[in-house]
Amino acid sequence: DQQVKQNSPSLSVQEGRISILNCDYTNSMFDYFLWYKKYPAEGPTFLISISSIKDKNEDGRFTVLNKSAKHLSLHIVPSQPGDSAVYFCAASDEKWRDDKIIFGKGTRLHILP
Amino acid sequence: GAGVSQTPSNKVTEKGKYVELRCDPISGHTALYWYRQSLGQGPEFLIYFQGTGAADDSGLPNDRFFAVRPEGSVSTLKIQRTERGDSAVYLCASSTTGGTEAFFGQGTRLTVV
Repeated sequence: DQQVKQNSPSLSVQEGRISILNCDYTNSMFDYFLWYKKYPAEGPTFLISISSIKDKNEDGRFTVLNKSAKHLSLHIVPSQPGDSAVYFCAASDEKWRDDKIIFGKGTRLHILP
Repeated sequence: GAGVSQTPSNKVTEKGKYVELRCDPISGHTALYWYRQSLGQGPEFLIYFQGTGAADDSGLPNDRFFAVRPEGSVSTLKIQRTERGDSAVYLCASSTTGGTEAFFGQGTRLTVV
């Protein structure tokens, strides 16, 4: 039973355009959300996070939105070739100290020239 | 060290053998996680340590899997009587506190033949 769902296995976006990656979660106890980026043969690298009490967090070209019930999105603007990677959405229940981080299956982003 | 280090990077073993996978977390990080990633899947939670103790081992698939962190730093994941289904990339991550940004190592690719 997937608690964190990334329903798009892959996404192709033109270079310079906006990439929007979506994430849904089922566990209402989750209160902290993270996005990771992964290149082949490397471990995932942390990208950006957001607490459930916020509806937006920005870091350069990356923005995570938390405006809909049990739904997050990661926006990359503008998309660059180096953004081609697998992106994982993850969640934890930080408030109640249930600190394991649960990952989705990932979305493979292809930035087209 | 500068990052999370995992050894070996690759391990090929015969079915039924015992293997140990090592993780050196970032110095000072009290939280340590083990995940397993199969092809096309996201990282699957195995076990989480806070200091020396296993705070949550609910992800260990069966009693063939065991992990230790005796001094609150280096951790070893131990797999007994390996099976072909254990083949995956085993990822280790550490963080300053649980449930927040965790930094991953490059993983150990385990192949059971």
